[in-house]
Amino acid sequence: AQKVTQAQTEISVVEKEDVTLDCVYETRDTTYYLFWYKQPPSGELVFLIRRNSFDEQNEISGRYSWNFQKSTSSFNFTITASQVVDSAVYFCALSDLTGGYNKLIFGAGTRLAVHP
Amino acid sequence: DADVTQTPRNRITKTGKRIMLECSQTKGHDRMYWYRQDPGLGLRLIYYSFDVKDINKGEISDGYSVSRQAQAKFSLSLESAIPNQTALYFCATSEGNTEAFFGQGTRLTVV
Repeated sequence: AQKVTQAQTEISVVEKEDVTLDCVYETRDTTYYLFWYKQPPSGELVFLIRRNSFDEQNEISGRYSWNFQKSTSSFNFTITASQVVDSAVYFCALSDLTGGYNKLIFGAGTRLAVHP
Repeated sequence: DADVTQTPRNRITKTGKRIMLECSQTKGHDRMYWYRQDPGLGLRLIYYSFDVKDINKGEISDGYSVSRQAQAKFSLSLESAIPNQTALYFCATSEGNTEAFFGQGTRLTVV
């Protein structure tokens, strides 16, 4: 069965610290996508990144970076020099592409609190 | 205007009442989804649809029904609401296996 595990329920850091959010997934599919979404206190889901299973290159976008390792089935997310505006719940998700859909299996989320 | 619009944004209803959550999209996507978010559980899939003739149950469909009135509209109904259906509900769309685009969410409280 497909599954996403975000073992860190809550993380608290002080502004300017670097923080890594862990994501481990399980799937037997050879083709799949991995996602990260941000949910700020306002509640909406903000798309951050999509990575396909054939592309293991790390990605950097400003202060955000992602490390995808198929060997350990992990897709970790690092925020460098965290800011108070980064405070949110972050979800990692795995796609189930059965039937041509993009059904998402979400982890339980990691709540990040960045303190001034 | 948002590409995926959910109405209402907030709703309080009584146990046993029927309630409908509506979702409309302007992205022209064919696939639509309803998810439910509970604290500590992430989002879970309730129903999904390819078009008006294609409706599929997700992981937690019991107690819910849906209607795909048109390509752009996908409604979720709770026939007889119960308190453990209190949650944040999200509608989403996708085109094939591209990223899913989410609505703003509907916060439902059943008292």
